[in-house]
Amino acid sequence: DAGVIQSPRHEVTEMGQEVTLRCKPISGHDYLFWYRQTMMRGLELLIYFNNNVPIDDSGMPEDRFSAKMPNASFSTLKIQPSEPRDSAVYFCASSLGGGRSTDTQYFGPGTRLTVL
Amino acid sequence: DAKTTQPTSMDCAEGRAANLPCNHSTISGNEYVYWYRQIHSQGPQYIIHGLKNNETNEMASLIITEDRKSSTLILPHATLRDTAVYYCILVKNNAGNMLTFGGGTRLMVKP
Repeated sequence: DAGVIQSPRHEVTEMGQEVTLRCKPISGHDYLFWYRQTMMRGLELLIYFNNNVPIDDSGMPEDRFSAKMPNASFSTLKIQPSEPRDSAVYFCASSLGGGRSTDTQYFGPGTRLTVL
Repeated sequence: DAKTTQPTSMDCAEGRAANLPCNHSTISGNEYVYWYRQIHSQGPQYIIHGLKNNETNEMASLIITEDRKSSTLILPHATLRDTAVYYCILVKNNAGNMLTFGGGTRLMVKP
């Protein structure tokens, strides 16, 4: 299994531009999570999906952020317009379904976003 | 609100056991203790988890005190590749196994 795949691995953009981050979860996993990591705030959960449906988006910082999961094998996190404070590493993770707490999360390699 | 408390950093000599403590005095009966680690520039990696019994796998051992208010992750023979930030996380037994990461312990394995 290839694991969780994220693209791009690095993104540099200018303030005001739209940024789209992509994630392919592990096949068969029903849960998908988006996290953001910064030096100041550490790792934060932004949003998670169960069977392609957003369950909790309370961690999404503001309306500039949106996430979709059109099918079981693909999710996007979009920032529009981007700001320098959005610079961070964004991780995607997936886990098996069933809602069991014993389901472990598998993380992708992350996308390092720099907004100039 | 931090539910777990871990030392900010620790050192360990290569080949020796690394014992990483975690305090979770307000743990509730339906919360599991999970450990993840994050090696520099990589995504977090699952290590081990437990409810109340001690657990062991190919990576580590987890010792949970009888009152479940604290636990210790043990890497029996630390290598340089074990240098990472180790996170102790409580996960509730309900739908959606959300992870709330604290500051973790930065373990430095030295030759």
